[in-house]
Formats: sequence, C-alpha cells, structure tokens
Amino acid sequence: DSGVTQTPKHLITATGQRVTLRCSPRSGDLSVYWYQQSLDQGLQFLIQYYNGEERAKGNILERFSAQQFPDLHSELNLSSLELGDSALYFCASSAGSGPGKEAFFGQGTRLTVV
Amino acid sequence: SQQGEEDPQALSIQEGENATMNCSYKTSINNLQWYRQNSGRGLVHLILIRSNEREKHSGRLRVTLDTSKKSSSLLITASRAADTASYFCATDANTDKLIFGTGTRLQVFP
Repeated sequence: DSGVTQTPKHLITATGQRVTLRCSPRSGDLSVYWYQQSLDQGLQFLIQYYNGEERAKGNILERFSAQQFPDLHSELNLSSLELGDSALYFCASSAGSGPGKEAFFGQGTRLTVV
Repeated sequence: SQQGEEDPQALSIQEGENATMNCSYKTSINNLQWYRQNSGRGLVHLILIRSNEREKHSGRLRVTLDTSKKSSSLLITASRAADTASYFCATDANTDKLIFGTGTRLQVFP
C-alpha cells in the first residue's frame, strides 16, 4: 500500500459528461501529480501541485482542470468527455517538489467513456 | 510527449534468467528512476540513480546510467515469475515534472 488513495476505482460515463477524480496523498506529502495512462499514449504527465499551488503542467487538455485543497487532497475534473478520454488516471504524491523525489502512486481510477 | 523510450518493448524469459531493459532519454537530467507496474495497477518505485552516479544496486536490481549517451539500463538477475510486470524509466529533465518512458513489458515464465 503506497498510502495514496484514489476514488473512485472505476467510472463509466457517457460522452459529454463531467467527472471528478479524487486523490488523497500520503500523509505529509505536499506534492501531487496527475497522470493519464492509455494504450496508445503511454503514461502522460498532466499536472503537478505543490502545497496548493500549480507547479508544473504537462499535456493537460483545456477540458481538464485540477486543484489541490488546503488539506492537500487533490481533484482532477474532466469535462465534455470524449471516447478518447477513456484511460487509467493515476495520482502520485511526493514529499517535496523539485527533481529527484520518489513518487508514490495510487491504484488509479479507470475511466470508461461510452 | 515521452521523455524516454525503453527497449525492448516486450521481453519474455524463463525463471532464473537475467532480464535487461534499456532506457534512452532526450534532455539532461538530475536523476533517473525506475518504476514497476503490475497489470492495471499503480506504479511502484524501484530505484533512483543520480546523474553523477554510474551504477547502483538494490537486491537483484542493478541500474547503470550513462549521461554521455543519455541512456540507462535495468538488470534484474535471477528473475522470478513474480517479476512479470511493466518497467518504466522516469526522468525529471531538471524540472518538477517526472516524465515516464514507454515501458518494457517483462514476462517471466516458470
């Protein structure tokens, strides 16, 4: 158990809908990362938050947004969903920010858009 | 886009054999990490090697880093069926981002 909790584990929704994925980082970790893993794109970095502030941005679509709350949990919001958004979404946390930090991954949320 | 590419994409071996996976990356780095992912599950950190290190060991794992060639290798010795998983390298490219490679799928047959 990595200590990172993601909910829900599975989500099936229709195109055009909006969903929210939730992540609770390991106790004491200030950084939260979001990744999307699909068969054709591999593991893609979406966004990182550190202590409530956006720290780094990757290949995150404009339809997607995220935030980190004062209690350090994070949410990833996906809107106007398309079939191609079906993927595993992982949250990871680390103790600090900057390079060289080991990331601890949650078990992921499997999103299926039908 | 991926920072790293693993080679081979897939590898099948018998228990007891050694497995070697290679990772090439594009930009300068501070550190390189290797992670393991069991099918459909979260990634688990295996080992971190810093840019000023050339080799590192952890149990049956040996990692090498050649910054001049922008490449790293992961060797798993005396493999076991339980080592069956996908293995990813990840680099920080001197930023806060941790960028993963394309992964190697390792299958170890009993």
